[in-house]
This record gives sequence, structure tokens and C-alpha cells, in this order.
Amino acid sequence: DGGITQSPKYLFRKEGQNVTLSCEQNLNHDAMYWYRQDPGQGLRLIYYSQIVNDFQKGDIAEGYSVSREKKESFPLTVTSAQKNPTAFYLCASNPGRGGGADQPQHFGDGTRLSIL
Amino acid sequence: AQSVTQPDIHITVSEGASLELRCNYSYGATPYLFWYVQSPGQGLQLLLKYFSGDTLVQGIKGFEAEFKRSQSSFNLRKPSVHWSDAAEYFCAVNPEGAGTYKYIFGTGTRLKVLA
Repeated sequence: DGGITQSPKYLFRKEGQNVTLSCEQNLNHDAMYWYRQDPGQGLRLIYYSQIVNDFQKGDIAEGYSVSREKKESFPLTVTSAQKNPTAFYLCASNPGRGGGADQPQHFGDGTRLSIL
Repeated sequence: AQSVTQPDIHITVSEGASLELRCNYSYGATPYLFWYVQSPGQGLQLLLKYFSGDTLVQGIKGFEAEFKRSQSSFNLRKPSVHWSDAAEYFCAVNPEGAGTYKYIFGTGTRLKVLA
């Protein structure tokens, strides 16, 4: 079955350490997204990419970085500059511009990041 | 700026009772509207979507939603709630006219179901 795979499910970070969250999709989608979820705040967009080798900052990009070297992969790095990284991180995809704006996003099962 | 408001942070209903979750959006044109459900520790699953046509849309798990342009609302309903419906529900908007694919999510409504 097609879908989005996020790994690991749980991740722990020490102070001053960068960590990378993996997101892989086999849906052949052009657009991919990273969201941060905190209790009571809904989903906040970190970065999104509408095509390979291109990505844009979302609403809370500071302290995060991404790459989009392959269509199926959109890893997120949480850098040491992110002072409050403890959260639930969700990756999503959708067909993108060619697929129509009525297409919903497909979500992975998330990665929970905690500070040690 | 575009926004989505879910006024109810928590809702508690008894099993078998009806349910309505509210969603209001702020956008000049008719956006593309979605409802998602999230179980604890999981990703979001699409319940239904609206983009044109009949303003009453049917979704999975017995849910439906009604788009009301005059009220800028897209409320989610279910006639009879099951204990398995306990989860968090998110309304989302894709204001496609903005030229991007930046979906905007509400802050969510957590549903508790009493046996």
C-alpha cells in the first residue's frame, strides 16, 4: 500500500545536538510538508516543498532545516538553534500543483521528539 | 490573513448522542475545506472534504459536514457517536487562491465519549 513512513517513532535529543527526522513517501506526490504539533496549538507549518530541489519556509522555520534531493524523501533536521524542540512532528504529502488544490494531505504517523 | 477557528477545545458527549463540531474560516473566496481525525500518537486521517457542489458532504465513519457560505462555516456532524470516535478533530482550509499549497489548520477539538 502507498503511504508515508516517518522514522523513528520516538527520538531523544541531548542539548546542543542536531537530529534528523526521516520522511519517505511512495505516493508519487510532488508536494511534501513538515508540521510541528504542540498541545492546544494545532499543526504549525515548518517547511514545505512543492517540487524536488525546492522548498519554502513555513510559519515556524527557525531552528529547522530540510532538503529535497529526491521526490520520495523530505528529511527534517532539528538543529541546536531550536530552543524548544520537544514536540510531535508530522510529515505530509499531496499531489501538488498538478493534482489540484482539492486534494487532501496524506500524513505519516509522526515522530515524537524529546529533550534528554 | 486566512484563518481557521474551532471554538470548542473539548467536547464530551454520551455514546449514541449526536455530535456537531464547529469550524469557521476566514477567507474571501470559497476555499477547499477538510476535516481530519487524529487518534493519540497517530497521524491525521481524512474524514471528508468540500470544494464545490452539494454543500452537504458525506465522509467516512458516518460523518458528514455542511458548508454554509453565509456563515463561513463547515461544521462536522454525526447522528450517533460511538466510543471509538473519541479522538481529536481538525478542520483545515486550503486557500488555493493564494497561489500556494499551504494548508491552514484549526487548533483542534478533542472529543470525549462517555459510555
